[in-house]
Amino acid sequence: AQSVAQPEDQVNVAEGNPLTVKCTYSVSGNPYLFWYVQYPNRGLQFLLKYITGDNLVKGSYGFEAEFNKSQTSFHLKKPSALVSDSALYFCAVLPPRTGGYNKLIFGAGTRLAVHP
Amino acid sequence: SAVISQKPSRDICQRGTSLTIQCQVDSQVTMMFWYRQQPGQSLTLIATANQGSEATYESGFVIDKFPISRPNLTFSTLTVSNMSPEDSSIYLCSVYNANGYTFGSGTRLTVV
Repeated sequence: AQSVAQPEDQVNVAEGNPLTVKCTYSVSGNPYLFWYVQYPNRGLQFLLKYITGDNLVKGSYGFEAEFNKSQTSFHLKKPSALVSDSALYFCAVLPPRTGGYNKLIFGAGTRLAVHP
Repeated sequence: SAVISQKPSRDICQRGTSLTIQCQVDSQVTMMFWYRQQPGQSLTLIATANQGSEATYESGFVIDKFPISRPNLTFSTLTVSNMSPEDSSIYLCSVYNANGYTFGSGTRLTVV
């Protein structure tokens, strides 16, 4: 079965330190990969996506993600965390289209807490 | 990317009643998606709504409980029918565009 794993329920990091939010996936073929952020009482906001090309993808708010095909991972990173980055982060995968359409598969989410 | 206006943003409803959630998109889209996010959980796809045809429901979701309308290429509604406290969730609509999937701001529903 196709799945997305975010192994950490919560990540704690001090402001100014680098952060990593992990995501691995189990999907056949070459999927599209996404990161979304959800602030309290808000919908999901698009951060970045990987479709093809350079393995390092840059997105909104200084975030970037590194695609690793051999490890089927797509970890979210930021060189210097801000308190305002504290939110819920979702990794999502869109499997290759094999007919009709394919559903976006979400990870369980990782809560990022950045401490002053 | 598309901009989605979703309303209401939140509501508190009595059990046994129904609530209709609306999503308006600023451009024409073929498919619109409806998700449920239960407290502390990830997003679960309820159904996919194509204009001019019946919605396609995911396993565990039925049309009688979650009727969907899609009258044109920019608008859709999701109704949560005969609500119970277990329906308390955030409901989000979504469309696919050049940036991937864009989501509405969500409707936080509390059933009392």
